[in-house]
Amino acid sequence: GESVGLHLPTLSVQEGDNSIINCAYSNSASDYFIWYKQESGKGPQFIIDIRSNMDKRQGQRVTVLLNKTVKHLSLQIAATQPGDSAVYFCAEIRDTGRRALTFGSGTRLQVQP
Amino acid sequence: DGGITQSPKYLFRKEGQNVTLSCEQNLNHDAMYWYRQDPGQGLRLIYYSQIVNDFQKGDIAEGYSVSREKKESFPLTVTSAQKNPTAFYLCASSTVGTGRNEQFFGPGTRLTVL
Repeated sequence: GESVGLHLPTLSVQEGDNSIINCAYSNSASDYFIWYKQESGKGPQFIIDIRSNMDKRQGQRVTVLLNKTVKHLSLQIAATQPGDSAVYFCAEIRDTGRRALTFGSGTRLQVQP
Repeated sequence: DGGITQSPKYLFRKEGQNVTLSCEQNLNHDAMYWYRQDPGQGLRLIYYSQIVNDFQKGDIAEGYSVSREKKESFPLTVTSAQKNPTAFYLCASSTVGTGRNEQFFGPGTRLTVL
């Protein structure tokens, strides 16, 4: 079946560095791609989304890049802080029909002080 | 404060018992969802509802049941037919409409079968 997945299970970075979390997807029919952050024992928190007809979208300290040619999504976090330590999930959703999220398996980001 | 609440936070169940997990939202959202999360994995969709009195099966609905009698509430029952129910259960809600993608998640219920 079609799925959304991630390349690396764990990413360790130094505080202040930039972080890049990658995601590969296989469902080319998705309309939106979304990044969620999940802290231990808590529910996921929305970070940013990007429509399938866009290549890049920026938020506060975060940038999402979408490469439809290779079906690749990335989340860039600038000046990573200890509070950014969490598991990050990419997810995809369609505009029509079942409007529920399909999640990847997650990447754990560890920020070293 | 607006948000989603789930209760209980921790739940222990004996084999063969049915248990019901509560999910309530005061965000006036039409759509509500139940996901299951196993350790080190992403979320998988159990059931979803886009309007009161209507709900649809997700990818792993076997052994679960839901109801949507009120807009604010979407309880999930884990039945004895669910072979491996120990997991972290997350409820979410959202508005319904093109381009509105943010699903708000509750704090989760951790279910353990003894």
